[in-house]
Amino acid sequence: EAQVTQNPRYLITVTGKKLTVTCSQNMNHEYMSWYRQDPGLGLRQIYYSMNVEVTDKGDVPEGYKVSRKEKRNFPLILESPSPNQTSLYFCASSTQDSYNEQFFGPGTRLTVL
Amino acid sequence: KNEVEQSPQNLTAQEGEFITINCSYSVGISALHWLQQHPGGGIVSLFMLSSGKKKHGRLIATINIQEKHSSLHITASHPRDSAVYICAVRSHGGSQGNLIFGKGTKLSVKP
Repeated sequence: EAQVTQNPRYLITVTGKKLTVTCSQNMNHEYMSWYRQDPGLGLRQIYYSMNVEVTDKGDVPEGYKVSRKEKRNFPLILESPSPNQTSLYFCASSTQDSYNEQFFGPGTRLTVL
Repeated sequence: KNEVEQSPQNLTAQEGEFITINCSYSVGISALHWLQQHPGGGIVSLFMLSSGKKKHGRLIATINIQEKHSSLHITASHPRDSAVYICAVRSHGGSQGNLIFGKGTKLSVKP
């Protein structure tokens, strides 16, 4: 089954404790992206990747890191999480670039205390 | 001012009604997406448009590049259409791969 998976789905952590949210897709997609969704602000793009070893900042990259060492995986790293990073996070993938239909992961709800 | 504006923010309809959700944007774009977010939180892509009109089942999406406006229409609405509908654009001037989102339109269809 074609899908985008994210782990964990729910996470409660404390300020400053490094964490990684994994994202994996099995569709051989070149493009992958991370978004956060907050009430009243909607979805905002954090980082995206056009292909292996190619990443770029979205609209809200501060406090986040990403890497794309393999085509299928695109982890989101929070080196020192803060409460303002409490949010619902989505990973998505598509062929080529954002012209094409995006497939979304199920979301990760992160709470930073 | 947001670069992507959706209207209305909230919409309540009776089953069977024809529904229109609007998206206006202030930047030149190369593509526009319509997404659906289910009450459980999952997001699915409905349409990607760069011109004209697309239809899938009871859903129709149109775009007018000159007027910087897109509409999503739902014919014969059903309670299962209740969701948040989100418009997103890729601007000409933006970095390749960058998407800008509207804040969504919450649709509730009553039986």
